[in-house]
Amino acid sequence: NAGVTQTPKFQVLKTGQSMTLQCAQDMNHNSMYWYRQDPGMGLRLIYYSASEGTTDKGEVPNGYNVSRLNKREFSLRLESAAPSQTSVYFCASVRLEAFFGQGTRLTVV
Amino acid sequence: AQSVTQLGSHVSVSEGALVLLRCNYSSSVPPYLFWYVQYPNQGLQLLLKYTTGATLVKGINGFEAEFKKSETSFHLTKPSAHMSDAAEYFCAVSDQGGGADGLTFGKGTHLIIQP
Repeated sequence: NAGVTQTPKFQVLKTGQSMTLQCAQDMNHNSMYWYRQDPGMGLRLIYYSASEGTTDKGEVPNGYNVSRLNKREFSLRLESAAPSQTSVYFCASVRLEAFFGQGTRLTVV
Repeated sequence: AQSVTQLGSHVSVSEGALVLLRCNYSSSVPPYLFWYVQYPNQGLQLLLKYTTGATLVKGINGFEAEFKKSETSFHLTKPSAHMSDAAEYFCAVSDQGGGADGLTFGKGTHLIIQP
């Protein structure tokens, strides 16, 4: 039972490049979330999906898009990466409590 | 909207001493409360949770927390710190309804264990 799987684990991008972070869960949860973690800032919500086919903005959505492809998968896309998006990104699958993936460390140079 | 305040971004204790990490919350509905732990270069894992019932909850690795409604607090304690407890700890509150306010995290407390 894998829980929540995120790919890739590490990524370096040049400013202006695009990429998609993948997240999949096998717990049959309706709700999935994307957070970014920065030193001293805790976890900030980027986007969430309360169910398949729905997505909504969180606290820091600018510069990101998401797709809830099906119940299992929730992807986060950076269309034109900026240095300010250097962060650690976590996907979570939520039913009462959150189950986290291992994170993606993204560096934008 | 709900919120979580963790007092102290860094807490340092000696090995064998009491660990106390403070968490206060605000919520307009009866909350669910959580403590998560994050070891270096890893994701977050659940330490313990309060949903309903007994207000003193026990978690993994000897940690426990007490829900005090009158003080809107959910402080995390461990009687005797171990070197392996060094990590980042996050308090979180849920309004049970999902959505953007479904789960709100504090900014975290870095626990340092002195030998």
